[in-house]
Amino acid sequence: GIQVEQSPPDLILQEGANSTLRCNFSDSVNNLQWFHQNPWGQLINLFYIPSGTKQNGRLSATTVATERYSLLYISSSQTTDSGVYFCAVAIFGNEKLTFGTGTRLTIIP
Amino acid sequence: DAGITQSPRHKVTETGTPVTLRCHQTENHRYMYWYRQDPGHGLRLIHYSYGVKDTDKGEVSDGYSVSRSKTEDFLLTLESATSSQTSVYFCAISQGTESYEQYFGPGTRLTVT
Repeated sequence: GIQVEQSPPDLILQEGANSTLRCNFSDSVNNLQWFHQNPWGQLINLFYIPSGTKQNGRLSATTVATERYSLLYISSSQTTDSGVYFCAVAIFGNEKLTFGTGTRLTIIP
Repeated sequence: DAGITQSPRHKVTETGTPVTLRCHQTENHRYMYWYRQDPGHGLRLIHYSYGVKDTDKGEVSDGYSVSRSKTEDFLLTLESATSSQTSVYFCAISQGTESYEQYFGPGTRLTVT
């Protein structure tokens, strides 16, 4: 099956810093999503981005489908950004999402 | 926020007992999914449904069954719970036509003692 690798596994930053999270995948995909799992366990949709670039406030994402990677950018980090960020992909749009193992982000005040 | 609820939100049960988890959606989405989340494994698909009475197995389906008799409800049943099924269970939905984006419910924490 498709492999999804996320890096770095852990990231500790001071409030106000910027960060880049990476997701590499091993096959062509029809669905790519970024999620934030907050400390209460809730999975929050950040981006649905099988290709191209999107921005939402301090967050933006870019997927280069031909090179099989996606990047999530977080600018001016806040403590509420802490949690685990997951990338998930699907080869066929409505089939299972395969999740990466996540990047744990800790923002220190 | 997508209208997805899961019940119960927490459950403790004994080995060998049957357990049913419920996922309810108000979005009229065609596709519904059950995932489990375990430390070191991320989220993995158990079963999914692509319509009423239409279901298929996922990556970790052994020991689980599902049913979908109405568009809005997707049930996950553990026929005889085992300690290895202690996990957090998430339901997800997707529209399946204009968008493949999946939205997740709040999760159910199940402990099998």
